[in-house]
Amino acid sequence: QVRLQQWGAGLLKPSETLSLTCGVYGGSFSAYSWTWIRQPPGKGLEWIGDINHSGSTNCNPSLKSRITMSLDTSKYQFSLKVTSVTAADAAVYYCARGRTGEYWGQGTLVTVS
Amino acid sequence: AIQLTQSPSSLSASVGDRVSITCRASQGISSALAWYQQKPGKAPKLLIYDASSLESGVPSRFSGSGSGTDFTLTISSLQPEDFASYYCQQFHSYPLTFGGGTKVDIK
Repeated sequence: QVRLQQWGAGLLKPSETLSLTCGVYGGSFSAYSWTWIRQPPGKGLEWIGDINHSGSTNCNPSLKSRITMSLDTSKYQFSLKVTSVTAADAAVYYCARGRTGEYWGQGTLVTVS
Repeated sequence: AIQLTQSPSSLSASVGDRVSITCRASQGISSALAWYQQKPGKAPKLLIYDASSLESGVPSRFSGSGSGTDFTLTISSLQPEDFASYYCQQFHSYPLTFGGGTKVDIK
């Protein structure tokens, strides 16, 4: 049984850095890429980026200059940082396994105020 | 970036109805398309991958079809638990993109 559990600060001030981590429980860590997706309140899904087992990343060009993704294979965790947040970054942030998201974290509501 | 256009953006239907949602890609993506269901306050759930492959545990009333630029998600007989929002996603090329979503509610 695979489970993704995510955590991180949910209330930020403008210009601060958003930092989220996703822990993977069960299943292989190195066999998959790991994805971040966000959803502004009442709106659709936006792909943020992904990272594979070797640390190679792909990012949404709209966010590329502000995001950093990393992983810790020893802890079965991967992380997202978004710098200089604004109100436009307020959303529920999800982590997921693979490019087709067969498993998802529970979501973290990030408020910028 | 590849744009995905879903239609309709919302629809009202009754239990037992056959429902179809379409997703059109701005360029060919072969069969690299997934469909998700999302209920309020919950993470999306993968229904279909590779355009027509049913994810394990998903009821057989859900089906997907299409390739290239035009895709369809069909629910053969709508059940009460199917009232939700549905999204398509292409994974043919980066950046990965989602359609705008279709909300299915009760008529």
